[in-house]
Amino acid sequence: SAVISQKPSRDICQRGTSLTIQCQVDSQVTMMFWYRQQPGQSLTLIATANQGSEATYESGFVIDKFPISRPNLTFSTLTVSNMSPEDSSIYLCSVGAANTEAFFGQGTRLTVV
Amino acid sequence: GENVEQHPSTLSVQEGDSAVIKCTYSDSASNYFPWYKQELGKGPQLIIDIRSNVGEKKDQRIAVTLNKTAKHFSLHITETQPEDSAVYFCAASIWDSSYKLIFGSGTRLLVRP
Repeated sequence: SAVISQKPSRDICQRGTSLTIQCQVDSQVTMMFWYRQQPGQSLTLIATANQGSEATYESGFVIDKFPISRPNLTFSTLTVSNMSPEDSSIYLCSVGAANTEAFFGQGTRLTVV
Repeated sequence: GENVEQHPSTLSVQEGDSAVIKCTYSDSASNYFPWYKQELGKGPQLIIDIRSNVGEKKDQRIAVTLNKTAKHFSLHITETQPEDSAVYFCAASIWDSSYKLIFGSGTRLLVRP
């Protein structure tokens, strides 16, 4: 199974600022994803992080708000831009590949004040 | 697109009893169905999964069943223990194609000692 490390594990940020979350995997994986989990809710896919090209965003999520990078097969970042209290959530990195399961990092708990 | 419904939203059982959580999905192309356990402050942990070429899978006290015709799958936990208390999520995916997971709304399981 893949080991996924996310940084930071939690943060409290001022509204209007941006936060970049890092996701590091201990092995090369085909697919990396970013999910959001709002308080007490289920997980919603934000985007697929594509290696070497622009991320693929799901309906309701845009690149200007959630820019994503994936410079190689083991690392990705998600930036939450111009934050508001409504962005307070857990942000989770996930990986997937053929003949394996989908694993999640421990998540980044973001509070915007 | 895929839609996953999960029931019940909360479930309270006596220690030692069984717990059953049910999910239905809408996209007949979905072929991978994982279950995750999420404890407070942690990321989702994969506990069992099933692929569409299998009707049932067991792992000690946990089992998952899949009915492709009816498009529903269930998680069964036997001999429940207080440490089973957590939120459980089902998900569906067209694995080996998109690897994207669509999640159910979650079930909060409470095992009473």
